[in-house]
Amino acid sequence: GAGVSQSPRYKVAKRGQDVALRCDPISGHVSLFWYQQALGQGPEFLTYFQNEAQLDKSGLPSDRFFAERPEGSVSTLKIQRTQQEDSAVYLCASSLAFGTSYEQYFGPGTRLTVT
Amino acid sequence: AQKITQTQPGMFVQEKEAVTLDCTYDTSDQSYGLFWYKQPSSGEMIFLIYQGSYDEQNATEGRYSLNFQKARKSANLVISASQLGDSAMYFCAMRDRMDSSYKLIFGSGTRLLVRP
Repeated sequence: GAGVSQSPRYKVAKRGQDVALRCDPISGHVSLFWYQQALGQGPEFLTYFQNEAQLDKSGLPSDRFFAERPEGSVSTLKIQRTQQEDSAVYLCASSLAFGTSYEQYFGPGTRLTVT
Repeated sequence: AQKITQTQPGMFVQEKEAVTLDCTYDTSDQSYGLFWYKQPSSGEMIFLIYQGSYDEQNATEGRYSLNFQKARKSANLVISASQLGDSAMYFCAMRDRMDSSYKLIFGSGTRLLVRP
């Protein structure tokens, strides 16, 4: 079956532009996570959805970051007025359910470069 | 607070030999899960192995095994019979019940290079 897909794979934005990153989770997966991975570091949590409900957005670095999952499947991470420090790989992951043992399946990521 | 520590930024191993990647964790919860992921240069995160805090036996998945020492709060990954394709970044991660989102907390990773 299909895994988690993300688009675009690469995005170059001029400072100040808005960007939208898309995540298609594995069909039927309830939980969806967004992570940010800076160069040479481990991924860091941004936000979490359970179906369409955004239950945790504690990792979003500023109010320029906004995420949605309106129908409980596809999710979009939007970054407004991009800054150079937003340059990173944005990873989406989905999980069948919630709990300590459920594996998260990751997408290939979107590499965002802000110039 | 939850924390994952990987103290080896880089490791070398000869092809066909075994290698151990270190991971220590910190949590005050009794119920948690530990994960190892592989990230090749292509960027995708590949799940390798899972250990639950109540599992009495060390997890194994093919050439991967997890040396779980609960009292020491360590969860080292052992890769046996290393292959050239094992060259990648390896991340240890944890999630526990105290965090209702069950998000993964990652370490800083270890870059493994397998020499022919």
